[in-house]
Amino acid sequence: GENVEQHPSTLSVQEGDSAVIKCTYSDSASNYFPWYKQELGKRPQLIIDIRSNVGEKKDQRIAVTLNKTAKHFSLHITETQPEDSAVYFCAALWMDSSYKLIFGSGTRLLVRP
Amino acid sequence: GAVVSQHPSRVICKSGTSVKIECRSLDFQATTMFWYRQFPKQSLMLMATSNEGSKATYEQGVEKDKFLINHASLTLSTLTVTSAHPEDSSFYICSARLSRDRGDGYTFGSGTRLTVV
Repeated sequence: GENVEQHPSTLSVQEGDSAVIKCTYSDSASNYFPWYKQELGKRPQLIIDIRSNVGEKKDQRIAVTLNKTAKHFSLHITETQPEDSAVYFCAALWMDSSYKLIFGSGTRLLVRP
Repeated sequence: GAVVSQHPSRVICKSGTSVKIECRSLDFQATTMFWYRQFPKQSLMLMATSNEGSKATYEQGVEKDKFLINHASLTLSTLTVTSAHPEDSSFYICSARLSRDRGDGYTFGSGTRLTVV
């Protein structure tokens, strides 16, 4: 089945620095890759997504890159702020009949003031 | 728009009892609802996919007789945890896929924190 691997599991950066989280996926047919931010006890919130017809997408301080050949995609957060501290999950769409999202294991990001 | 309302947000039940969790799509029709379980400091693990008017599809290792899913209408899917045990204590969250005119993504319920004592 579909498998999504995410690294690192924890990431600590100084405020203002950049943070990069990487994911790999197994289903070569996957064509949708969202990133979610989850705060404790809350629902995941979509922060950015990318589809396989593009290689990069940017939204202010957040960017996502996709390498379909290598089957990996990355989240880049620039100029990090303390409020960016949260758990981040990548996900990939499994292209079976149900179109289910399979999540990575998560990255706990801590931005130190 | 595209809101999924999930209830209850928190529930404490005694071991051996059953608990029902509801997810309603408020302003759209959800033909498919996904149910996830999340243990503390872990990822969202897909439990099952429910389809309106048909039987749910369960992921490997998920007991279909313990986690009953009903999707009787286009706006309501329910998950019933039967004969709950402490190891079933977890955060349960539903998700619906949106149509292209709604952004073609996924929307999540607010989650249910289940504690079995």
